[in-house]
Amino acid sequence: DAGVIQSPRHEVTEMGQEVTLRCKPISGHDYLFWYRQTMMRGLELLIYFNNNVPIDDSGMPEDRFSAKMPNASFSTLKIQPSEPRDSAVYFCASSRSLSRNQPQHFGDGTRLSIL
Amino acid sequence: GQNIDQPTEMTATEGAIVQINCTYQTSGFNGLFWYQQHAGEAPTFLSYNVLDGLEEKGRFSSFLSRSKGYSYLLLKELQMKDSASYLCAVRPPNDYKLSFGAGTTVTVRA
Repeated sequence: DAGVIQSPRHEVTEMGQEVTLRCKPISGHDYLFWYRQTMMRGLELLIYFNNNVPIDDSGMPEDRFSAKMPNASFSTLKIQPSEPRDSAVYFCASSRSLSRNQPQHFGDGTRLSIL
Repeated sequence: GQNIDQPTEMTATEGAIVQINCTYQTSGFNGLFWYQQHAGEAPTFLSYNVLDGLEEKGRFSSFLSRSKGYSYLLLKELQMKDSASYLCAVRPPNDYKLSFGAGTTVTVRA
């Protein structure tokens, strides 16, 4: 089975540019999570969706960040305009809702560097 | 909110046992997960506890005491490939999101 697929794996861009990160969850998973990981702050939840609907976006840092899930197999996280402090590894994860012991499965992440 | 504490680093010798502790202070509790993360890679699921007691999975075991807000991950017969960061994560009630601890970096020496 294919796991969670994220693209791109690496992104280097200049501050002020728009950045779009993409995620394809595991088929049949109805929860999708976006995380950011840095040395200083560890792994932080940004937003999560259930059946394509955003449930909790309290972790989104500010208005420069937005996330969408137009269908069950695709989600985007957008940063506009980007700033150097946004440099981090961004993970997408998905899980099923059959029971609460279902683990979240993580993609390989996007390593983002804003110059 | 969730307050989750883990030691920052631990070092052990190949073949030995290491115990990674995790304490949490939460406004509710509905399960605790342990994840392993190798450098530069994604976290991968190791174990889940929701009831008190020990869950064993091969060389790895996880323990939970809800009354004490305490869990540990026990790694036995350490191998070099076990060198990684180990993340403790807590799930609040009526929710599917996880709050992660900062992680414990385990270094296995020959």
